Amino acid sequence: AQTVTQSQPEMSVQEAETVTLSCTYDTSESDYYLFWYKQPPSRQMILVIRQEAYKQQNATENRFSVNFQKAAKSFSLKISDSQLGDAAMYFCAYKPGTASKLTFGTGTRLQVTL
Amino acid sequence: DGGITQSPKYLFRKEGQNVTLSCEQNLNHDAMYWYRQDPGQGLRLIYYSQIVNDFQKGDIAEGYSVSREKKESFPLTVTSAQKNPTAFYLCASSIDRLPTEAFFGQGTRLTVV
Repeated sequence: AQTVTQSQPEMSVQEAETVTLSCTYDTSESDYYLFWYKQPPSRQMILVIRQEAYKQQNATENRFSVNFQKAAKSFSLKISDSQLGDAAMYFCAYKPGTASKLTFGTGTRLQVTL
Repeated sequence: DGGITQSPKYLFRKEGQNVTLSCEQNLNHDAMYWYRQDPGQGLRLIYYSQIVNDFQKGDIAEGYSVSREKKESFPLTVTSAQKNPTAFYLCASSIDRLPTEAFFGQGTRLTVV
C-alpha cells in the first residue's frame, strides 16, 4: 500500500524568507504523480504544484518549487519569498499512474511571521 | 460555472442515526473521492470511485457506505456503525488516471450528538 509521510507537523517562517516542507512516500509503482495542496483557514483545498514521476526536471510555479528525488522517494516543497497569505496547512499527495486512488499525508501547518 | 458541490455545510445528527452527505460535480470527471479530516490526521480516504456503478474502499471505509449511480453524484452515508462520526468531510473529483488535480468541494462538518 502506498503511504505518504509528512514529518513536520508545524513549521514557521519569517515573511520574505524561504522555507522547505518535507514529504516522503512509499510505493512500488514506477509511474505516479505527486502533488502539494494548500488548505487555508477557509478549508478550501488548492493545488499548489504537481510533479510527474517520469519527469526528471523539478516542477516550479512562481515562488513554489519542488525537490523531487525519485530514488529516495522524497518530494519536498520550497516556498521562496514567503508571504502572509502562504500561512496554511500544506498536504503532500500521491496518485498512482494506473489507478485513481489519491493518498494524502498528515499535513504541515505553516505559520508566517512578520 | 463548473465545480463540485457538497451539501449541507453543517450537519447535526443524533447518535444512532444514519446520515447521508451529498456530493455533486458538473466537471464531467470520472473519479470521485470521499475524505475524512480530523485534527492532526490529515485527509484520510474513505471511498473512491473510478466509474459509474463501481467504487473501492479507502483506508477507513468501516461504518460508511457510498453509491455511484450517476457520474455526477457520489453520496456518502455515515451509518450508526461508525464509532466516531463527528468530523469534517471532503468530497473531490478528478479526471481518471491522469496527473490532473483533484477538485474539492467546500466540505461538510458533521456533528453527532
